[in-house]
Amino acid sequence: QKEVEQNSGPLSVPEGAIASLNCTYSDRGSQSFFWYRQYSGKSPELIMSIYSNGDKEDGRFTAQLNKASQYVSLLIRDSQPSDSATYLCAVNNFGNEKLTFGTGTRLTIIP
Amino acid sequence: SAVISQKPSRDICQRGTSLTIQCQVDSQVTMMFWYRQQPGQSLTLIATANQGSEATYESGFVIDKFPISRPNLTFSTLTVSNMSPEDSSIYLCSVQRGMVRGEQFFGPGTRLTVL
Repeated sequence: QKEVEQNSGPLSVPEGAIASLNCTYSDRGSQSFFWYRQYSGKSPELIMSIYSNGDKEDGRFTAQLNKASQYVSLLIRDSQPSDSATYLCAVNNFGNEKLTFGTGTRLTIIP
Repeated sequence: SAVISQKPSRDICQRGTSLTIQCQVDSQVTMMFWYRQQPGQSLTLIATANQGSEATYESGFVIDKFPISRPNLTFSTLTVSNMSPEDSSIYLCSVQRGMVRGEQFFGPGTRLTVL
């Protein structure tokens, strides 16, 4: 069964520190990897996409992918209270357009 | 990204009734999807709405319970039929815009409560 796993948290990080969110997936055929941010009562918002091994940086966000270890992570530098949300990892498998979501990690940035 | 609207934004319904949720996109898209997010849970894909053909349902979801229409490339509806309290959830439509597989953008969601 294709699965995407995340630590549900809550993860508490002091303001200004680096928040590290992790995700593992079971299907080696997975091709594309996404991080969504979901504020309470809102719909998911795409914040990062990554397709090849290594790091991809966008502002304060860095996505890291290691296909050999079936592991993808999201780093948030200089964490702000506005980063407090649930972060969902999603994986797309070869040959279709569907996404499989992890259960999400609830992140709280402490002022 | 795409501008996606959903109607209604929320509703409270009686057991045994049906509710149709609309999803409108500001431009033509090939792929539209319907998800369910139960309280405190992640997103579960219900079905992929295909223009001009029947929707493709995921395991555990059936057309009689969740009929879907996709009359054109900017619009889709999801009906939740013969509702029970277990159907209380947030229902979300999403679209894939562009050529990147899996890159989806979500509508604001419909919060459904069944009494």
